[in-house]
Amino acid sequence: DQQVKQNSPSLSVQEGRISILNCDYTNSMFDYFLWYKKYPAEGPTFLISISSIKDKNEDGRFTVFLNKSAKHLSLHIVPSQPGDSAVYFCAARGNTNAGKSTFGDGTTLTVKP
Amino acid sequence: ETGVTQTPRHLVMGMTNKKSLKCEQHLGHNAMYWYKQSAKKPLELMFVYNFKEQTENNSVPSRFSPECPNSSHLFLHLHTLQPEDSALYLCASSPGLAMLSTDTQYFGPGTRLTVL
Repeated sequence: DQQVKQNSPSLSVQEGRISILNCDYTNSMFDYFLWYKKYPAEGPTFLISISSIKDKNEDGRFTVFLNKSAKHLSLHIVPSQPGDSAVYFCAARGNTNAGKSTFGDGTTLTVKP
Repeated sequence: ETGVTQTPRHLVMGMTNKKSLKCEQHLGHNAMYWYKQSAKKPLELMFVYNFKEQTENNSVPSRFSPECPNSSHLFLHLHTLQPEDSALYLCASSPGLAMLSTDTQYFGPGTRLTVL
């Protein structure tokens, strides 16, 4: 059973518009959530995270929202830029899992100029 | 060189070959990880090392044998692999085991492995 799901394998948006990437999880023990970004031929790089004690975390153009009751988080990118085109992975972990983040399948974002 | 490096970047091997993947981190981290990413599947954690000691083996077949001689280096020894083992193998490191802290993992570029 996949505990972290990204149901949209791909997303295409116009430059300057908002990109919204979604992630759902099933394990209520998860208390820390991360988004990673991956370009081709590179490893994932950390983008932004949120603790379960918060419902929003913002860093520049990137904002992550957490809805614990719905076990749902989303990443908003605004305004979207062509350089944001990449695969975005959602990850989650609980404090009982030593270093173990559970990853989603990833969503490929394409930002069109 | 900085960050997490992996060699080779690409590897093609037969099922009877023995090869090794190498990972090196230049970040002073204490924890290192091996992940497998198969096509259209999420990243799967394989092994976790903390201060050179293996803390997790996620039910990985014995044809994959990790080695961590020190906190900066991590190897994955491969022997008698199967075609379904073809995947991207990613190494990562973090300052600690990232249990209660906000430590994030830093990933290498990966080794694209093809087993014929």
